[in-house]
Amino acid sequence: AQSVTQLDSQVPVFEEAPVELRCNYSSSVSVYLFWYVQYPNQGLQLLLKYLSGSTLVKGINGFEAEFNKSQTSFHLRKPSVHISDTAEYFCAVSDNSNYQLIWGAGTKLIIKP
Amino acid sequence: NAGVTQTPKFQVLKTGQSMTLQCAQDMNHNSMYWYRQDPGMGLRLIYYSASEGTTDKGEVPNGYNVSRLNKREFSLRLESAAPSQTSVYFCASSEEKGGNSPLHFGNGTRLTVT
Repeated sequence: AQSVTQLDSQVPVFEEAPVELRCNYSSSVSVYLFWYVQYPNQGLQLLLKYLSGSTLVKGINGFEAEFNKSQTSFHLRKPSVHISDTAEYFCAVSDNSNYQLIWGAGTKLIIKP
Repeated sequence: NAGVTQTPKFQVLKTGQSMTLQCAQDMNHNSMYWYRQDPGMGLRLIYYSASEGTTDKGEVPNGYNVSRLNKREFSLRLESAAPSQTSVYFCASSEEKGGNSPLHFGNGTRLTVT
């Protein structure tokens, strides 16, 4: 069965510093990969997705992620974070034969002023 | 454009009480989902409806029932609430059932069972 590991439950970072949120998955088949963001007291919204093609995917709010098939990773990056990026970030994976998403446990991004 | 609307936003129940969580989407999506979110566990799928008229169990269906009332509405019912069902519940929808179709979420219902 597929699994998704978000290696850090919390990531504290200073404002305007770069950040990387890590996501690894276990699958030997082709996958679709997603990052969702959840702001406080809200539902989740799609940040970016990888379906096929270029391994570098750009999303909203200046975030990007790189699909690395050999390392089965899909890490999320932003070169300079803002206080408004304070949220919980979820990585999710589905293979292209299964409609269901498998979710990571989430990473809370904490921005320090 | 409201997207996915869930009611109520908050609910407190006593053990054994019943309630129905309502969800409606106005994006003409075919598929709808109910998830629960618990700290440190990500999201777990309770039930889903791939299209109007069909419903199927997800990862954690025990203690819940669902109804796909029409294309817009998908409700979740707790017949006899238990403390283990204390959670935040999210409804979501997508254009199609396929794994490449992004989900659109409501703002959640925070349920406490005492």
